[in-house]
Amino acid sequence: DTGVSQNPRHKITKRGQNVTFRCDPISEHNRLYWYRQTLGQGPEFLTYFQNEAQLEKSRLLSDRFSAERPKGSFSTLEIQRTEQGDSAMYLCASSLARQGDTEAFFGQGTRLTVV
Amino acid sequence: KNQVEQSPQSLIILEGKNCTLQCNYTVSPFSNLRWYKQDTGRGPVSLTIMTFSENTKSNGRYTATLDADTKQSSLHITASQLSDSASYICVVSAKGSNYQLIWGAGTKLIIKP
Repeated sequence: DTGVSQNPRHKITKRGQNVTFRCDPISEHNRLYWYRQTLGQGPEFLTYFQNEAQLEKSRLLSDRFSAERPKGSFSTLEIQRTEQGDSAMYLCASSLARQGDTEAFFGQGTRLTVV
Repeated sequence: KNQVEQSPQSLIILEGKNCTLQCNYTVSPFSNLRWYKQDTGRGPVSLTIMTFSENTKSNGRYTATLDADTKQSSLHITASQLSDSASYICVVSAKGSNYQLIWGAGTKLIIKP
């Protein structure tokens, strides 16, 4: 499978615990995006990387959230001291930056449930 | 403020019927518009992408239209099938250094046998 891969697919954690998600983008893609999606809503932008540089962060990304893409390939999204409001689907997407078409391809997502 | 609004919020139709989903946007400067299909519990999958100069684009039973003057797009589904049941999300890309994507909330489509 050469698509975007996310792990784990599902995560249940107790409130206050830290969680980390991983995203492996399509290999030649230099842009990587993280989104959060709650039930019945479209995805909300969290942050994006071009290569290893984190170029933009949404105001939704509180201090408890941190994302890295250390070598410009895979990325991790960590949530510290999880809260029940963090329960959502976390989607990763990647794209190849070039003028015009920047179609993003999505992974299957990681569903987080905070109990 | 850059926004994308979709209607209806949800739609139920019988298998075999046609339907049209609407998307209005206020994104400027406009780069392109995409329609994504998202099955429950899965990531979105691209159906079409349209640039400023394109009015109509088809992908099988899906036909998207774009009116850049009125900033409206529609997605028409012909001869619906049970597998078309999903959320359909309109996404507009704004020109700029980051090509940020502005997402609609989606239309939840249910096809009944």
